Amino acid sequence: DAKTTQPNSMESNEEEPVHLPCNHSTISGTDYIHWYRQLPSQGPEYVIHGLTSNVNNRMASLAIAEDRKSSTLILHRATLRDAAVYYCILRDPLQGGSEKLVFGKGTKLTVNP
Amino acid sequence: NAGVTQTPKFQVLKTGQSMTLQCAQDMNHNSMYWYRQDPGMGLRLIYYSASEGTTDKGEVPNGYNVSRLNKREFSLRLESAAPSQTSVYFCASSEAQGLVFEKLFFGSGTQLSVL
Repeated sequence: DAKTTQPNSMESNEEEPVHLPCNHSTISGTDYIHWYRQLPSQGPEYVIHGLTSNVNNRMASLAIAEDRKSSTLILHRATLRDAAVYYCILRDPLQGGSEKLVFGKGTKLTVNP
Repeated sequence: NAGVTQTPKFQVLKTGQSMTLQCAQDMNHNSMYWYRQDPGMGLRLIYYSASEGTTDKGEVPNGYNVSRLNKREFSLRLESAAPSQTSVYFCASSEAQGLVFEKLFFGSGTQLSVL
């Protein structure tokens, strides 16, 4: 499975945008990019996913590089509730189900008031 | 909606004791999973069940057994607990959305300490 590289930690200020990077230089053409986040003392929750085009939903935006070797999760206005560990995960749907999702260490986002 | 419910939330065991972690989902999902998360680490898959009546090993199955009792319930059993099994355990279920995407829903976790 292709691997992802994320910074261990990032900080932002409340109400400012946050750009969380993820590098995946060995991504294959059929790998989807998934983002999950884990709030303190909770299980992970789905944030967003995409294949080639940029994606938006009520939680965040996902910007995918043209060569797909990197992507960025964008939180448009960070709140204190966005403080969490963010996981960038690749999954090839042709290689099986969600059991193929591999959660690395992720990026711990701290939001300052 | 309750989503994915795990019991208990906390448990302390002595080495060699056995226990079962319970998980139930009310979303009519076919697939269910058990993960463990050690401090400062990502989640590692222990076992999963793609459908009622089937189970498969994940990345770290040793020392664990599972039962998919019915579509709703998926339990994880530690037959003889060891200190290395001290961890936070998460149960999850997934909803297939078309052919290419499954979204995972997680419970709030069981914090297990083995002394």
